[in-house]
Amino acid sequence: EVQLVQSGAVVKKPGESLKISCKGSGYSFANDWIGWVRQMPGKGLEWMGIILPVDSDIRYSPSLQGQVTISADKSINTAYLQWSSLKASDTAVYYCARHDCSRTTCYSGYWGQGTLVTVSS
Amino acid sequence: SYELTQPLSVSVALGQTARITCGGNNIGSKEVHWYQQKPGQAPVLAIYRDNNRPSGIPERFSGSNSGNTATLTITRAQAGDEADYYCQVWDSNIHWVFGGGTKLTVL
Repeated sequence: EVQLVQSGAVVKKPGESLKISCKGSGYSFANDWIGWVRQMPGKGLEWMGIILPVDSDIRYSPSLQGQVTISADKSINTAYLQWSSLKASDTAVYYCARHDCSRTTCYSGYWGQGTLVTVSS
Repeated sequence: SYELTQPLSVSVALGQTARITCGGNNIGSKEVHWYQQKPGQAPVLAIYRDNNRPSGIPERFSGSNSGNTATLTITRAQAGDEADYYCQVWDSNIHWVFGGGTKLTVL
């Protein structure tokens, strides 16, 4: 059974750093793209980027590139989303999602449970 | 950039048919996927590659895609179908694109 288990909710202050995680199991973690989706309070889904753990090939959403860092450790089947300096506008639920990709499309049949990040002074 | 347009809300009477649209320039040339999200829960894949249902999704859910509009159709709507629905495509330049989401209300 494919499972994605994310780290727990966090509360941080503006300017602090943060790294949240997503551990995959039940599939070949290294060989499937895994990505992150943001959902700000009361808003829709926003794709942030993906990584292929086997070679750390990373693609970022053009609107979010430079604001976050995506990484993965294939030895422990875990993907990460990292901020160096949080802002209040980073407050959101963050989902990891295993991407099913072909030559022509990608979608996700498996999602983590979400991690609520609250940034407040 | 590529944009997907969904109605903010759709209402349907219990037991009737709901249709949720997703508009995009020549979207018929792309493969469209649909997600259902209930309050406080992660999204669930409802339809993939235009008209395919994952295991566990009722046969009442179907999809179509042609021209500039893709449509998610839910027949015999039930109270449990109340949720936000998002369409999604993959674009070679900016990768995943989501529609803004549609809130389905079952009356």
